[in-house]
Amino acid sequence: DMKVTQMPRYLIKRMGENVLLECGQDMSHETMYWYRQDPGLGLQLIYISYDVDSNSEGDIPKGYRVSRKKREHFSLILDSAKTNQTSVYFCASSFPDRTNSDYTFGSGTRLLVI
Amino acid sequence: AQSVTQPDARVTVSEGASLQLRCKYSYFGTPYLFWYVQYPRQGLQLLLKYYPGDPVVQGVNGFEAEFSKSNSSFHLRKASVHWSDWAVYFCAVSTGNYAQGLTFGLGTRVSVFP
Repeated sequence: DMKVTQMPRYLIKRMGENVLLECGQDMSHETMYWYRQDPGLGLQLIYISYDVDSNSEGDIPKGYRVSRKKREHFSLILDSAKTNQTSVYFCASSFPDRTNSDYTFGSGTRLLVI
Repeated sequence: AQSVTQPDARVTVSEGASLQLRCKYSYFGTPYLFWYVQYPRQGLQLLLKYYPGDPVVQGVNGFEAEFSKSNSSFHLRKASVHWSDWAVYFCAVSTGNYAQGLTFGLGTRVSVFP
């Protein structure tokens, strides 16, 4: 069963702590994404990864960085978390075929920064 | 840049009634359009997707959508709503360039009452 797996599902961190959100996919998709979802703002793109060690900023990259050392694994890192980074974070992957591109999403990580 | 507008933030419908959710997109080229559903505290699940071709697209669970280039729209429809359709529905557009990811609307929250 093709899927995107996110860990952890729920996370509470104190302001200033480092946060690691992990995402895995079993479809050998080259492209992976991190989005955050906030009420009234919908889903906003944070980072894109085209493949191992090939990453690009999305629309709201400030305060985040990413790491992709294996094709199936894409991490989102918050160095010194801030309260305004409280959100639901979604990872997605895509097969880069213009005629048949599909975006598969994980179940999300709910992060609370206090 | 592309954008998506979902003009209805909330829709309330009676079980068994029909449902239409509106989606307007803005993109100068040929869009690839998607509808996703998000059930409470879950991730996004693909309902259906449009690639250039037949303007009416069939999806899962009785959903269908119709693409209109002249109206820049991609409205979602269901003939008879079930209580399990209580969810948030997101319309999204892709330029076909996987490197840009998906651009989402803000979503429409659908409530179903007996």
